[in-house]
Amino acid sequence: LAKTTQPISMDSYEGQEVNITCSHNNIATNDYITWYQQFPSQGPRFIIQGYKTKVTNEVASLFIPADRKSSTLSLPRVSLSDTAVYYCLVGEGGGSYIPTFGRGTSLIVHP
Amino acid sequence: DTAVSQTPKYLVTQMGNDKSIKCEQNLGHDTMYWYKQDSKKFLKIMFSYNNKELIINETVPNRFSPKSPDKAHLNLHINSLELGDSAVYFCASSQREGMDTQYFGPGTRLTVL
Repeated sequence: LAKTTQPISMDSYEGQEVNITCSHNNIATNDYITWYQQFPSQGPRFIIQGYKTKVTNEVASLFIPADRKSSTLSLPRVSLSDTAVYYCLVGEGGGSYIPTFGRGTSLIVHP
Repeated sequence: DTAVSQTPKYLVTQMGNDKSIKCEQNLGHDTMYWYKQDSKKFLKIMFSYNNKELIINETVPNRFSPKSPDKAHLNLHINSLELGDSAVYFCASSQREGMDTQYFGPGTRLTVL
C-alpha cells in the first residue's frame, strides 16, 4: 500500500493560490491519486482525482510529475470558505484497496 | 434529497451502555463504509461492506459490530461503550470497491461519559 505524507497545516490569505503537496514515494503503477476536502462538522467530500500530468475541474487542479512520487493540489484564489482539511489518498481500483485518510492538511485562510 | 444519511446526529451515553448508529444511502451504491474520526481529526476506516459482504475490517474491537441488512443500509452497533469510543463516526458509500469516489454522511458525534 502506498503511504502518503502531507503537511499537517498551512496558512494562507484570501485571494492567494494555495498548493498542497503530497508525497507518495512507493506509488504503484495502477494507483490513482485522490483528494478530499472536509469542512468543520461535515464529512469529507471528493475534490479531484488523477493518474498523471494535470487534471483540472471547477474547484481545483491536480499536478502530477512524470515520476508520480508526489502530487500537488492547487486551489486558485482561495477564500475564507476554503478553510478545511485536505486529504490525499493513493490506491488502485481493486478490492484490496484500504482507504487511508489519516490527519490530512489543515488549511486556514485568513482575511 | 440526502444521499447518505446517518442517525442520530448526536449521541450522549454512559460507559458500559450499548448503542447503535444507522446509515442509509439512496445512491444505489454497492459499497458502504464506517469511519472513526478522533478528537485530533485523524480519520480512520473501520469497516467496509460490498453487496452486504464484509470486505474491510481494520482491527476494530469486537465490541463494534457492523450489520448490513441490504445494500442501502449499514448499521454500527457498539457494545459496552468506553470513554475512548468518543469520536465522530462517519458513514460513506461508493459505487464499487477501490478508488471510486466516496460520498460521506454528516457524521454522528458520540460522547461517552
